[in-house]
Amino acid sequence: DVKVTQSSRYLVKRTGEKVFLECVQDMDHENMFWYRQDPGLGLRLIYFSYDVKMKEKGDIPEGYSVSREKKERFSLILESASTNQTSMYLCASSLGQVYNEQFFGPGTRLTVL
Amino acid sequence: GQQVMQIPQYQHVQEGEDFTTYCNSSTTLSNIQWYKQRPGGHPVFLIQLVKSGEVKKQKRLTFQFGEAKKNSSLHITATQTTDVGTYFCAGEGNTPLVFGKGTRLSVIA
Repeated sequence: DVKVTQSSRYLVKRTGEKVFLECVQDMDHENMFWYRQDPGLGLRLIYFSYDVKMKEKGDIPEGYSVSREKKERFSLILESASTNQTSMYLCASSLGQVYNEQFFGPGTRLTVL
Repeated sequence: GQQVMQIPQYQHVQEGEDFTTYCNSSTTLSNIQWYKQRPGGHPVFLIQLVKSGEVKKQKRLTFQFGEAKKNSSLHITATQTTDVGTYFCAGEGNTPLVFGKGTRLSVIA
């Protein structure tokens, strides 16, 4: 079974702090994604990566950056957390080819005070 | 950019009633996927449709992909309490998957 793990289930940070959200997948998937999920807004793509050291902006990249130094790990970075970044963050991975299902991690609920 | 609209936003049904959620894309899709998210859980893949007019069934769930590959539907026959959750469609075209906002299904026993 594919397993996608995220470093924390719950996280509380203060405004202005630098925040790291880690995601690891164990099935040698090429593609990795970061989404945020907010009530009534569904899942919105922040950043994605199709290969190591490669990254592409999604629909809402502002205020975020990512890092993919190893194939299995995709990190989301909030350089200076703000209250409007309070949300559920979901990481996902999929195989390299197109038309492949995404496997999601359990999510990190981030609260920025 | 590509947009995927999903309706209704909420649906409350009595156990045993049928349920349908609809998905429409602003652009032609190469494929559409459906996911289910249980309360407190994460989205889990249900199915992928690729061909124009494709219909697939999983027990009480029927998935359709429109002839123009711009719309899709998920129909659940005789809902059960285990069907509770939010159902998302996600379309892929020239961009990575774009998710609809989901339909939250409540089933009253």
